Amino acid sequence: EIVLTQSPATLSLSPGERATLSCRASESVSSYLAWYQQKPGQAPRLLIYDASNRATGIPARFSGSGSGTDFTLTISSLEPEDFAVYYCQQRRNWPRGLTFGGGTKVEI
Amino acid sequence: EVQLLESGGDLVRPEGSLGLSCAASGFTFNSYAMSWVRQAPGKGLEWVSTISASGGTTYYADSVKGRFTISRDNSKNTFYLQMSTLTAEDTAVYFCAKGLPITRPYYFDCWGQGTLVTVSS
Repeated sequence: EIVLTQSPATLSLSPGERATLSCRASESVSSYLAWYQQKPGQAPRLLIYDASNRATGIPARFSGSGSGTDFTLTISSLEPEDFAVYYCQQRRNWPRGLTFGGGTKVEI
Repeated sequence: EVQLLESGGDLVRPEGSLGLSCAASGFTFNSYAMSWVRQAPGKGLEWVSTISASGGTTYYADSVKGRFTISRDNSKNTFYLQMSTLTAEDTAVYFCAKGLPITRPYYFDCWGQGTLVTVSS
């Protein structure tokens, strides 16, 4: 099973600052990686798929990059509504499985 | 507006069974793969199962294979998860989720609000 390790576990920032979140895979997942945002008590929301494609309706301040084993989600300037937990997800071995990372909490 | 609405979550005893439903609206249901993803209390996300648009192909996580069955009724715009031989490790909020268009069923662009399954004696 491919393991995704997200870092840091918690990121403490202020509105207006830049957030850089990391997701590292235990083996190459090519560009088959997505990012989701989850707020407390809510369902996840798809932000990025195939490493760098923004999902429909996602603001341009969210961007994804990387390939192989190292990926980054960047929020260029944090808005108050961006404070949440972010998960990465890979599908390299589909349909033999999907895995999610452990999450990074972005807090004020 | 795309909407997914789960139902069926409940308290169930270990070794028991439970069925979940997810009613879909706002999109052409029979054109999309659908999935279940769960989240144990205070934990991260875990993919559970996916069913193809036609219902002819199903996929399962190893942790639920042989115990859970995913199915769909395209005439009712609804899909299901039948769970059996439940253990405490199955305690979680279960989300239903819609896949991206045909070539990317493994990315989930719309989610339900979740339904809680608690396995406890």
